[in-house]
Amino acid sequence: GAVVSQHPSWVICKSGTSVKIECRSLDFQATTMFWYRQFPKQSLMLMATSNEGSKATYEQGVEKDKFLINHASLTLSTLTVTSAHPEDSSFYICSAEGGGDLREQYFGPGTRLTVT
Amino acid sequence: GDSVTQMEGPVTLSEEAFLTINCTYTATGYPSLFWYVQYPGEGLQLLLKATKADDKGSNKGFEATYRKETTSFHLEKGSVQVSDSAVYFCALSDQGGGSNYKLTFGKGTLLTVNP
Repeated sequence: GAVVSQHPSWVICKSGTSVKIECRSLDFQATTMFWYRQFPKQSLMLMATSNEGSKATYEQGVEKDKFLINHASLTLSTLTVTSAHPEDSSFYICSAEGGGDLREQYFGPGTRLTVT
Repeated sequence: GDSVTQMEGPVTLSEEAFLTINCTYTATGYPSLFWYVQYPGEGLQLLLKATKADDKGSNKGFEATYRKETTSFHLEKGSVQVSDSAVYFCALSDQGGGSNYKLTFGKGTLLTVNP
């Protein structure tokens, strides 16, 4: 149980275009999902917290107009990178909160974005 | 703010060697502590966790004890296997704004186990 999927697993796009990444909780409902960015040989950096039916909460320094997050249902959150530039190339990882007292997060496999 | 510091890698060991990966933290509240593992090409998986001082988390032969006095949560395994080769992340969870529990990660330690 507690499986989280991401689609696509990798994507290459041209500079100036927009890319949408989907995060789905396959066998549980997730009121809260998180989006992280991971640079090579670096830690995961939390970008934003997404609550179903409400606006996402962005971490300091993350441009909300560039990284659009939508959490339209209890099993789906999307991250759209708008007007992508080469510096947006990274590994994007989502997680879904599974509930319970500890509110354990279950992670997706990640999406590799390359902007040319 | 909260932070996690873990030993930098890479760590290279021979099979059946003893493993220690150090992790220390700073937090304003009483966090829960975690070790996550990321195998090549896969997402993060929870390896073990501890929710309060002196708790010991264990899984797959790995152990870590929540030491509040030293603010540490070191990961240990008595005999590593080639299949343990992965990146290991130490993390803490503290209640952020509102009701969301935010994870703060260390930078990760790459472990390579040679046969």
